[in-house]
Amino acid sequence: NAGVTQTPKFRVLKTGQSMTLLCAQDMNHEYMYWYRQDPGMGLRLIHYSVGEGTTAKGEVPDGYNVSRLKKQNFLLGLESAAPSQTSVYFCASSYNERADFNEQFFGPGTRLTVL
Amino acid sequence: DQQVKQNSPSLSVQEGRISILNCDYTNSMFDYFLWYKKYPAEGPTFLISISSIKDKNEDGRFTVFLNKSAKHLSLHIVPSQPGDSAVYFCAQRAGNTPLVFGKGTRLSVIA
Repeated sequence: NAGVTQTPKFRVLKTGQSMTLLCAQDMNHEYMYWYRQDPGMGLRLIHYSVGEGTTAKGEVPDGYNVSRLKKQNFLLGLESAAPSQTSVYFCASSYNERADFNEQFFGPGTRLTVL
Repeated sequence: DQQVKQNSPSLSVQEGRISILNCDYTNSMFDYFLWYKKYPAEGPTFLISISSIKDKNEDGRFTVFLNKSAKHLSLHIVPSQPGDSAVYFCAQRAGNTPLVFGKGTRLSVIA
């Protein structure tokens, strides 16, 4: 199993450009998440999904959109990139929040720079 | 307001000694706390967890202690090894909501 994979690994954008980050998981997990990590800020939840066709806002959703058309994929879109969105983005997945114990599995991250 | 606080951004420890990483929380209605470890240029990986009904959980060199009256938990690493150098995040799980992470503590184990 590949686990959680993220595409691309690195990207440089100019202000105002758009892009989509792709997350894929092969563990048949119900829940998927997008986080951003900034120095001194820890992991902040952007959006998450509790199943195919569903999405929900996290702590810092502004400027991002997401879609979960297939269970194994979770897409994060930036419609008009801003320098404040320069960050490392992590995708994660988990089986089911209602399980007694629920570990999140993380992808390797995408480093995005917006100039 | 931060629900999960890791007040020490960094910690340096000699190889072979004990590392103690701390985490404080405000929400008493939780199911588990989880600790994640993160190396540079990699995603976080799960390390150890503790249920709200326990006060200690041990896995090899790693032990997590939970003090519910103080709303405090700690991760002990004994003995510390250079390969333990990483950023450690504590995360709280409460019901059906996503994990809430602290800001992390960077541990440096000096040989």
